[in-house]
Amino acid sequence: EDKVVQSPLSLVVHEGDTVTLNCSYEVTNFRSLLWYKQEKKAPTFLFMLTSSGIEKKSGRLSSILDKKELSSILNITATQTGDSAIYLCAANNNAGNMLTFGGGTRLMVKP
Amino acid sequence: DAGVTQSPTHLIKTRGQQVTLRCSPISGHKSVSWYQQVLGQGPQFIFQYYEKEERGRGNFPDRFSARQFPNYSSELNVNALLLGDSALYLCASSPGSTGGQPQHFGDGTRLSIL
Repeated sequence: EDKVVQSPLSLVVHEGDTVTLNCSYEVTNFRSLLWYKQEKKAPTFLFMLTSSGIEKKSGRLSSILDKKELSSILNITATQTGDSAIYLCAANNNAGNMLTFGGGTRLMVKP
Repeated sequence: DAGVTQSPTHLIKTRGQQVTLRCSPISGHKSVSWYQQVLGQGPQFIFQYYEKEERGRGNFPDRFSARQFPNYSSELNVNALLLGDSALYLCASSPGSTGGQPQHFGDGTRLSIL
């Protein structure tokens, strides 16, 4: 059975701090790893990673995939209160659009 | 451009009833997937549809069913509702069916079972 585990479960930081969120996966016929941000309702797409070692970057957020270690990290630098959310990691296999999600990391950024 | 739209936003039902949830994908997207998100957990895959055909099914009982229409919109039906069906039901769309492009989610339908 496919499995995705995220750590830590929750994190409290102050504005300006840098955070690293972790995701590990065990997926048969792995295709891609995706990160989403969920504030109140719809998970919002952040990154899709398919190749190992290539960092994807968007503003203060960046992410990288390590296929050897079956893991990915999401980094957020110079955190802001607007970064407070649940960050979800999901893995996709070759069968199609059937994402296996981790339980999420709840990030709280204090002023 | 409109994103994925779901209706209704909230729904309250009692045990044993039946419910139908609706989803309209992003224009041009042909694949729709449904997920159940219980409070405090990550979403769990229920169904994927592409070009009106079921392409995948998660580990859910037969009380759950879905279909996709020629305009690519979709419905999720749940029969004989149980208290444990209380959750946020999310719909996601993508252009194709192979997972080569990211899925984009709607705001979901919050279903409460009394």
